Order: sequence, then structure tokens, then C-alpha cells
Amino acid sequence: DIQMTQSPSTLSASVGDRVTITCRASQTLNSWLAWYQQKPGKAPKLLIYKASVLESGVPSRFSGSGSGTEFTLTISTLQPDDFATYYCHQYQGYSGTFGQGTKVEIK
Amino acid sequence: EEQLVQSGADVKKPGESLKISCQGSGYSFTNYWIGWVRQMPGKGLEWMGIIYPGDSDTRYSPSFQGQVTISVDKSITTAYLQWSSLKASDTATYYCARSGVPRTAEYLDLWGRGTLVTVSS
Repeated sequence: DIQMTQSPSTLSASVGDRVTITCRASQTLNSWLAWYQQKPGKAPKLLIYKASVLESGVPSRFSGSGSGTEFTLTISTLQPDDFATYYCHQYQGYSGTFGQGTKVEIK
Repeated sequence: EEQLVQSGADVKKPGESLKISCQGSGYSFTNYWIGWVRQMPGKGLEWMGIIYPGDSDTRYSPSFQGQVTISVDKSITTAYLQWSSLKASDTATYYCARSGVPRTAEYLDLWGRGTLVTVSS
């Protein structure tokens, strides 16, 4: 079973800040990595897939990078709508695992 | 419009059985894997398993193998998640979600709104 370690678990930031969230996999993923945003009481929303491909309709301030075992989600300029919880998700080989989540809070 | 419509919230007692549903519409249901994701109250997302409606090929997370059953009825474009004997620890919101690529189990691009299951005596 592939384990995903996401950090930090909580992040306090201000509007306009640059925010970076990291996910590390216990095995090489070959870019089979997605990122989701979830707001309270709502279903997750896909932001990024294949490590760096922006889902249609997602603002360009979101970007993903990385390969192998280390991946990063970056929000270039944090907006009020971006305060939420973010999850990474590995989907290699017909299995799946989510990271523990990163809650982005208002500083 | 592509959508996944999940069954409504349910309250059960420990030991009871339950089957919740996820109906897909607006796309070719049989060509896309459907996954189930658990979210316990105040906690993160957990990948439970995934099923291909075309041939009912099913894969489970080791953590959920033997604890739940995932099935599908492609004639009514509906996937199911069921328990034979619920425990209080099954209390959670359960999401179904569709793989974003036909015929392969990948990222999840279309999500249902979730079904809240409460198990309490």
C-alpha cells in the first residue's frame, strides 16, 4: 500500500501570500498524483492531475509540480476563496491513497 | 449535465445492514470507473475502493477489504456501497466519484454530494 505524507497539516496565511503544500509518497508514483480542494460540508473539487495538469476552469494561480516521490501544490497569490483544506491523492495501479490534508487558515 | 446523485442520509443501529447508492447520468456510465471515499467526522479523505461498471471489476483498499461491498447495476447506471453489519465507527460521509479518464482508474473529476451515514444505538 502506498503511503502519502502531506505537510504541513495546518497553514496560516494572508490574502496575497504564496502558499506551498508538499506531499511525499512511500514509492515512486510516475506523476500519478492529483490535488483537491475541499470546503466544509462540500465534496472535494479536483484542481490538478498528473502532478501538474490544471483541471479545466481552475484558476491559474494554482500549480502543481514534482515527480517520483515528492510533489508540491502552490497557490501563487492566495485569494479569500482559497481558504479551505487541500488533499493530495495518488492513483497508481488501480489503487488510491489520500494525504492527511492541509488546512489553509486566515492569519 | 454530467452528475453523480447519491442517496440520502441514513441513520442505523449497530449490527444493521445498509446499501447506499450513486447514480450517474450525462455521460457513458459503463466506460468510467467509480470510486468510493470515506470521510469520518472532522477527518480526512480515505480511498475505499473502485469499480468498473462495464464488467464489474472491483478493487478494494486493504483497509476496507472484507468490511464493505462495492457493486454496480449498469442497467440503471448506479453504483452501490454496502455493509452487512454496521459499527458505530462506520459513521461518516461517503462520497462516490468518477475517474477522469475512461477505462482506467485515475484521478477523480466528478463527485457526488456525499451520503451521511450515522450508526448509533
